[in-house]
Amino acid sequence: KAGVTQTPRYLIKTRGQQVTLSCSPISGHRSVSWYQQTPGQGLQFLFEYFSETQRNKGNFPGRFSGRQFSNSRSEMNVSTLELGDSALYLCASSPGGVKDEQYFGPGTRLTVT
Amino acid sequence: ELKVEQNPLFLSMQEGKNYTIYCNYSTTSDRLYWYRQDPGKSLESLFVLLSNGAVKQEGRLMASLDTKARLSTLHITAAVHDLSATYFCAVAPSGGSNYKLTFGKGTLLTVNP
Repeated sequence: KAGVTQTPRYLIKTRGQQVTLSCSPISGHRSVSWYQQTPGQGLQFLFEYFSETQRNKGNFPGRFSGRQFSNSRSEMNVSTLELGDSALYLCASSPGGVKDEQYFGPGTRLTVT
Repeated sequence: ELKVEQNPLFLSMQEGKNYTIYCNYSTTSDRLYWYRQDPGKSLESLFVLLSNGAVKQEGRLMASLDTKARLSTLHITAAVHDLSATYFCAVAPSGGSNYKLTFGKGTLLTVNP
């Protein structure tokens, strides 16, 4: 079974631009979660989607948004990029039950200059 | 708000030695995860601990969970260089869902020959 895939793997953007990251979950998984990893703040939960609906959201500004498509693929968007948005963005998929284990993708390394 | 504290944050040890990483959390939980992360890579699941007293072992790593003390430990036996990585614990609160994990800051383990 193929694992979680994320595209692109690396991205360089300029302050003020916007960016869209993509995550394809493991086949059959309906839940996709997004996490931001930075050296200062560590790993922080952004949001989670299940069956095209956002089920939960972390404490991030509205510049961070996401969506999920009917095939469970998910995208996250960051508008008006700031230097502090430079991070490794990880997505994780699971079947969708509240106790199901999450499986993490390889991440997208975003650098904002 | 659930808080997860790991210590130590940095651990330098010699090959062949034993050591323990500690993970304390602030609210009731019955699900705790340990992950390994190599530089620039994603998270690799090591252990899932689901009940009080749970103990799991894989090779030179052993994890345990004490839900009453709100403490998990990751014990390293006879360390080898290949174990050098960053180790994270992550907690889902009781009654909460896996998709909103709270992570510790991570322990950067360096095993020296």
